[in-house]
Amino acid sequence: EDQVTQSPEALRLQEGESSSLNCSYTVSGLRGLFWYRQDPGKGPEFLFTLYSAGEEKEKERLKATLTKKESFLHITAPKPEDSATYLCAVQAGSGGSNYKLTFGKGTLLTVNP
Amino acid sequence: GAGVSQTPSNKVTEKGKYVELRCDPISGHTALYWYRQSLGQGPEFLIYFQGTGAADDSGLPNDRFFAVRPEGSVSTLKIQRTERGDSAVYLCASSQQGSNIQYFGAGTRLSVL
Repeated sequence: EDQVTQSPEALRLQEGESSSLNCSYTVSGLRGLFWYRQDPGKGPEFLFTLYSAGEEKEKERLKATLTKKESFLHITAPKPEDSATYLCAVQAGSGGSNYKLTFGKGTLLTVNP
Repeated sequence: GAGVSQTPSNKVTEKGKYVELRCDPISGHTALYWYRQSLGQGPEFLIYFQGTGAADDSGLPNDRFFAVRPEGSVSTLKIQRTERGDSAVYLCASSQQGSNIQYFGAGTRLSVL
């Protein structure tokens, strides 16, 4: 069974204080690892997809990295508007079809001004 | 143009009643997913459609839950004899052929009294 564990459950930072969120996973045949951002009352918003160990992707103050067992979401010099819940998900399977996502519980990030 | 549209945004019902939740995916997206998100948890997979057929309904919790997508576009999630434990946010996502990125709607918050 695919499993995703995110840590910490909650993180409070001061504006400009860089940090990292962790996502540990076990999956049979990783097809992709996904990071989403979720604001209160909204659906998850897609951020990144990573496909193989060693891959990195960046978007503004966010950088996602992937190893064979975990992924990190690095936040550099965060701003209050980065406050949200960050969700990690894995997708398993093969054959060219789309498959379900298995999510972690998320990390609630609060950035204080 | 939009993104994935879900209606209603909120639904309050009484225990034992029947409810229908609607999802209108992004135009042209062939795959459609339903997830359920309880408070403090990540989304959990319910069912996946490829075109008109349910390709994977392994996440439906029991036979009170059913979903259709008769014309390969709009989908309806149907819940019979609702129970208080069905209270959650029901999220819909869609993806286009050849892509594994899922785009989510804002969800329907279901409250069973």
